[in-house]
Formats: sequence, structure tokens, C-alpha cells
Amino acid sequence: LAKTTQPISMDSYEGQEVNITCSHNNIATNDYITWYQQFPSQGPRFIIQGYKTKVTNEVASLFIPADRKSSTLSLPRVSLSDTAVYYCLVGDITGGGADGLTFGKGTHLIIQP
Amino acid sequence: EAGVAQSPRYKIIEKRQSVAFWCNPISGHATLYWYQQILGQGPKLLIQFQNNGVVDDSQLPKDRFSAERLKGVDSTLKIQPAKLEDSAVYLCASSSYWTSGAGSYNEQFFGPGTRLTVL
Repeated sequence: LAKTTQPISMDSYEGQEVNITCSHNNIATNDYITWYQQFPSQGPRFIIQGYKTKVTNEVASLFIPADRKSSTLSLPRVSLSDTAVYYCLVGDITGGGADGLTFGKGTHLIIQP
Repeated sequence: EAGVAQSPRYKIIEKRQSVAFWCNPISGHATLYWYQQILGQGPKLLIQFQNNGVVDDSQLPKDRFSAERLKGVDSTLKIQPAKLEDSAVYLCASSSYWTSGAGSYNEQFFGPGTRLTVL
């Protein structure tokens, strides 16, 4: 199972772009990279998922270099409501389930006014 | 579309008692997960079902925890007997999945969780 390493905490200010990097040196060929967001007293919420290069949706971008040993979640123009814990997960999703996906301790992102 | 439903939302029991949690996944989702989240930690997968078959239960304490998913839809997670260290939030999730020439996609949808306190 691929192990992930991400910063324990980060802080930024409203309106800034925030980049959270995750290391996954032993990522396997079939593994995808997925990011989830969790607010206190709520279940995690899916943000974005990718396999290689760049993926963008309405809330974030995911940058994955060619060697896939790391990935960066980019949140454009953050607001106070983006204060949450962000989890990077790596696992094989090609079989229909999220096989081997493990939530680590996540990154506590704090956005200040 | 309705989300993942869980009940109860809160439960307080004494150690050595038993407790059961219920989960109704999003309609059509074949994969269902139960997670345990202890305060300050990330969710830990307890068991994963594909339809009504178990895919992964390697981290389920089988001496006290059991789970079933009848007819491949609703699921229950039971703890018997409970210990103090079982105090946590129990999250249920289901996932949608597709694959194409562009790759695969799997998104887990989480319920609100059940907060269990064992005294």
C-alpha cells in the first residue's frame, strides 16, 4: 500500500492561492491520487482525483509530475470557509472499489482574514 | 440525489454493552465502506463491501466487531462488547465508479456519521 506524507498544518490568508503537497514515493502503476476535505463534525468530502499530469474542476486543481511520486492540490483564492482538514489518498480504484485507500492524519489548513 | 443516511447520530453506552449502527447508501452504489474516526485522526477503514461480499476487513477487530450488508444495499455495523477505546465517530460511505478510455473514477460519498461514546 502506498504511504502518503503531507504537512500536518498550513495557514494562509483569504484570497491567496494555497498549494498542499503530498509525497507518495511507492505509488503503484494502478494507483490514483484522490483528495478529500473534512470539516469538523462532518464526513470527508471528495475534492479531486487524478492519475497523471493535471486535473482541474470547479474547486481545485491537482498537479501530478511525470514520476507520480508526489502531487499538489491547488486551491485558488481561498476563503475562510476553506479552513478544514485535507487528506491525500493513494490507491487502486480500477477494480470498482477504493482498494487500499488509507486516510493519514491530513493537513490542517487554517485560513485567516 | 439523496445522500448516505446513517442512524443513530449519537449513542452513549457503557463498556461491555452492545451497539449497532445502520447505513443506507446512495441508490445504485455497489461499494460500501465503514470507517472509524478517533478524535484528531483520519478515518480508518474497518470493512469494505462490494455488493454483499466483503472486499477488505483486515482492520476490523473481529472478536468484537461485525458487519453485514444484506441484499447488497443497507448495512449494519455491530460492536459487542464495547470497550472504552471504541469511542469514536463511525462513518459509512458508498462510492460511484466508472471507467473509460480516459481512465477510472471513484468518488466516496460519506454519511454524517454516528458519534459513539463508551463510558
